[in-house]
Amino acid sequence: QKEVEQDPGPLSVPEGAIVSLNCTYSNSAFQYFMWYRQYSRKGPELLMYTYSSGNKEDGRFTAQVDKSSKYISLFIRDSQPSDSATYLCAMSVNTGNQFYFGTGTSLTVIP
Amino acid sequence: GAVVSQHPSRVICKSGTSVKIECRSLDFQATTMFWYRQFPKQSLMLMATSNEGSKATYEQGVEKDKFLINHASLTLSTLTVTSAHPEDSSFYICSASTDAPGYTFGSGTRLTVV
Repeated sequence: QKEVEQDPGPLSVPEGAIVSLNCTYSNSAFQYFMWYRQYSRKGPELLMYTYSSGNKEDGRFTAQVDKSSKYISLFIRDSQPSDSATYLCAMSVNTGNQFYFGTGTSLTVIP
Repeated sequence: GAVVSQHPSRVICKSGTSVKIECRSLDFQATTMFWYRQFPKQSLMLMATSNEGSKATYEQGVEKDKFLINHASLTLSTLTVTSAHPEDSSFYICSASTDAPGYTFGSGTRLTVV
């Protein structure tokens, strides 16, 4: 079983839609949860970071962590064509430890 | 914020030659850097962890004699792909840990071996 599971998609939505991206994991020791956005042929950029359980909101983006279910989500409201990218979830036990990445979900927002 | 500069962004080389990829932390000291490989539509695969002043730690299945990593200073780590072959063609990305949560990634290097 992989440490982190993520539906690779691809996911295609119309502009303005609400997007839900999800990851599940198996290691209950994970405490740090990240979402990265990666444009084609570029390095990933950190989008959202959450420690332990709960929600975090930043503009149109909301990250949720449910440690009891070992499930994390990223919601994008009012999606824009510029949101078209691959979204990777990542998690670790401590900030200095190895990060475990999901396979990434490819998102296309259609104008 | 912390910036990691990676060069070159794209390189094409002949089979059998060696290629060096550089990863620099521009405004912070990176005691630890990470090298990843990414195949199309796949996630990042950690190749090795590079610690300044010591030998890199390679992940299982990664040939350390083929993928030479040097981290001689707190701001520079290099990955050299030796005797490259077409199967080494991939997207290579470095990252560094900073005081902030999460890693800071370089922009990646697309290697094509012909």
